[in-house]
Amino acid sequence: SQKIEQNSEALNIQEGKTATLTCNYTNYSPAYLQWYRQDPGRGPVFLLLIRENEKEKRKERLKVTFDTTLKQSLFHITASQPADSATYLCALGDSGTYKYIFGTGTRLKVLA
Amino acid sequence: DAGVIQSPRHEVTEMGQEVTLRCKPISGHNSLFWYRQTMMRGLELLIYFNNNVPIDDSGMPEDRFSAKMPNASFSTLKIQPSEPRDSAVYFCASTIFQGSQPQHFGDGTRLSIL
Repeated sequence: SQKIEQNSEALNIQEGKTATLTCNYTNYSPAYLQWYRQDPGRGPVFLLLIRENEKEKRKERLKVTFDTTLKQSLFHITASQPADSATYLCALGDSGTYKYIFGTGTRLKVLA
Repeated sequence: DAGVIQSPRHEVTEMGQEVTLRCKPISGHNSLFWYRQTMMRGLELLIYFNNNVPIDDSGMPEDRFSAKMPNASFSTLKIQPSEPRDSAVYFCASTIFQGSQPQHFGDGTRLSIL
């Protein structure tokens, strides 16, 4: 069955450093991959989308890579700030149904 | 612009009672999704609608769960009868029906079944 793995352990990093979060998947060939941010008590908020034929996407301090051979996406936040502390979810999308499967998320804490 | 609006934000009820969760999607969006989020299983898709028509309800756990979308601006998710294992946060999301479009989530309904 389709499976998405994100590091379930919280990631603590020092302010100013680059945070790197991983999303691995198996038994799936997604056409799209999205990253969302979720704060406590709130719904997920869309950050970035990358397509299967794209290797890398950037938006301000955010960068996403997508390796369909390794079946992995990396999400980077450069010059991290305490305000970046949140849970980050990856979601894989199917081109036929446009249905997305979400990972369980990785909690990031940026220490001042 | 108003985002996706869900109500109630919190619901506490006793086992066996009927629970109705409500969602108002963003105006102009033609796809609506209902998700359930728990610590153990993360965010699970229950059902989604396109142009008010249910497209895929394979994630609905049991016949106790039902969802409707009578018009483009309103959807309900109903649980009858409710059980303690239904306790979770339920999210509604809407989007324009294209694979590359982001989903816009409401802030969820935290449901506790005693």
